[in-house]
Amino acid sequence: QKEVEQNSGPLSVPEGAIASLNCTYSDRGSQSFFWYRQYSGKSPELIMFIYSNGDKEDGRFTAQLNKASQYVSLLIRDSQPSDSATYLCAGPYNTDKLIFGTGTRLQVFP
Amino acid sequence: EAQVTQNPRYLITVTGKKLTVTCSQNMNHEYMSWYRQDPGLGLRQIYYSMNVEVTDKGDVPEGYKVSRKEKRNFPLILESPSPNQTSLYFCASSHGQGAVETEAFFGQGTRLTVV
Repeated sequence: QKEVEQNSGPLSVPEGAIASLNCTYSDRGSQSFFWYRQYSGKSPELIMFIYSNGDKEDGRFTAQLNKASQYVSLLIRDSQPSDSATYLCAGPYNTDKLIFGTGTRLQVFP
Repeated sequence: EAQVTQNPRYLITVTGKKLTVTCSQNMNHEYMSWYRQDPGLGLRQIYYSMNVEVTDKGDVPEGYKVSRKEKRNFPLILESPSPNQTSLYFCASSHGQGAVETEAFFGQGTRLTVV
């Protein structure tokens, strides 16, 4: 069974700090990864996707992919209370399925 | 507005009473799927469809059926619901033949309780 694993948290950071969310995966063939944000009681929404090794930046968000270590991370700079949510990492299984991690709950306190 | 619409949003039913959760998307997406979300288990795929008349099992298909007669609709059918199917259900769609290259758009969710 291909797996995507995340620490469930909660990860608590003060407002303005950098939040670091991590994800490991078991399928060495995986080429692309997604980070979704899910507010309580709401549906997931895409934050970032990354296809290649290295970093990808979009505003306050930076996704990092290290294929050799089978590791994906999401950094949120200048964290805001509105960033408090569950962050889901997702990776491919074959070409027709996405496998989601169980999510990391982030709490940003003022 | 581009969206995935699920109905109903909330449903309480009794064991064994057949029910259907509808899902419709207006983005002309080829790929549609159903997930259930349970505490501690995350999102797990139930069924998916890569195009009209093409459906396949996900990770937890037991007790569910789907159909894809039209591109925009992908209903989830529970022929004989049981309490272990109490969960939060999401329908999602994405462009292209696979789920792994493009963003998945999720419906608002359906909270199902089977008593």
